[in-house]
Amino acid sequence: AQTVTQSQPEMSVQEAETVTLSCTYDTSESDYYLFWYKQPPSRQMILVIRQEAYKQQNATENRFSVNFQKAAKSFSLKISDSQLGDAAMYFCAYNNNDMRFGAGTRLTVKP
Amino acid sequence: DVKVTQSSRYLVKRTGEKVFLECVQDMDHENMFWYRQDPGLGLRLIYFSYDVKMKEKGDIPEGYSVSREKKERFSLILESASTNQTSMYLCASSPNSGGYNEQFFGPGTRLTVL
Repeated sequence: AQTVTQSQPEMSVQEAETVTLSCTYDTSESDYYLFWYKQPPSRQMILVIRQEAYKQQNATENRFSVNFQKAAKSFSLKISDSQLGDAAMYFCAYNNNDMRFGAGTRLTVKP
Repeated sequence: DVKVTQSSRYLVKRTGEKVFLECVQDMDHENMFWYRQDPGLGLRLIYFSYDVKMKEKGDIPEGYSVSREKKERFSLILESASTNQTSMYLCASSPNSGGYNEQFFGPGTRLTVL
């Protein structure tokens, strides 16, 4: 079964700085999708960004971007110009008709 | 916007009670899911459903059952609640099969079993 590993249980960043959250996954498939979800405190989990494995170009959404390294099976999330509202649990997920989530990284943003 | 709602945000039950967690989505999604979320373990799939009256076991179905009588509603049932079922329960839905599709989540139910 596919596994997703987030090696950083907690991270912190200074407001306006940049932070990178790590994610690796294990699969023998060549076609799949990768996601980063954000779960703010006491609020619903929402999608931050999505990457299709067959696309070499890294996905970006405003201040959020990914570094997708298919051969290394690595999918990190970069948050630029961090804001207080970015404080949340972040989950990396792999999907090939069977969504798998990592354990999550709790991001703290310091003012 | 897709809306997924769950019947309770917080629930306290006693060991041995039968517990019902309800989930409703309003976007005519085919797929619905129940996860439990525990610190350090991420989200683990309990059950999912691809159609009305259809259900499939996830990774940790023991001690749980589900019901999907209508497309928009997916219920999780704890037949006899135990303390090790104290957890956050998340419901999610997605349009159809296909890895591209994101899942849309409800706010979660934090269940405490005493």
